[in-house]
Amino acid sequence: QSVLTQPPSVSAAPGQKVTISCSGSSSNIGNNYVSWYQQLPGTAPKLLIYDNNKRPSRIPDRFSGSKSGTSATLGITGLQTGDEADYYCGTWDGSLGAVVFGGGTKLTVL
Amino acid sequence: QITLKESGPTLVKPTQTLTLTCTFSGFSLSTGGVGVGWIRQPPGKALEWLALLFWNDDRRYSLSLKSRVTITKDTSKNQVVLTMTNMDPVDTATYYCAHSSGYYQYYFDYWGQGTLVTVSS
Repeated sequence: QSVLTQPPSVSAAPGQKVTISCSGSSSNIGNNYVSWYQQLPGTAPKLLIYDNNKRPSRIPDRFSGSKSGTSATLGITGLQTGDEADYYCGTWDGSLGAVVFGGGTKLTVL
Repeated sequence: QITLKESGPTLVKPTQTLTLTCTFSGFSLSTGGVGVGWIRQPPGKALEWLALLFWNDDRRYSLSLKSRVTITKDTSKNQVVLTMTNMDPVDTATYYCAHSSGYYQYYFDYWGQGTLVTVSS
């Protein structure tokens, strides 16, 4: 059981937009920055978003992040088949004194 | 260019101690704000954070594993070592080390390729 809750799967057609939610509490998302990771099949996770909405320079602007209260959202526009992957949110939990991750969301581009 | 690579045994027996080494380049663990963490992923399951070591020797551990896990560094060798005692089959997972920056910002911007550790007799 993950501390952060994500939908197990989402899907959308190529070229469309999709959002992935990440729900937490005041001890984690509510008072800390959120990061997002993309894990392509058989590879290591890659940082997509940090500090809620910032992108590393190598990440295209099709990827965006936002946070409101105790929830965060990853948005992906202009979906490509190469975006099919598992996506994880992560943050610090002050009550646990630990880095926590969501259970992951599998994105299917139909 | 920042790179990290995990090394260690691929197979350990139950009750044994696992020692994994993360060898990195492109940064120094003596630079302010830098950290190296360990994260694992059982086959087909989600990421699980294990430990994080900062430039100032501050350490953070997963509460559920704190009694079994130790993270140390050898700055001169650019290595971070994870030790996990009393291994069990449920500890079978791919173990990743990752770079963290930004003064306790707790995100991981560069990851190693991971190493699969199987616990079996």
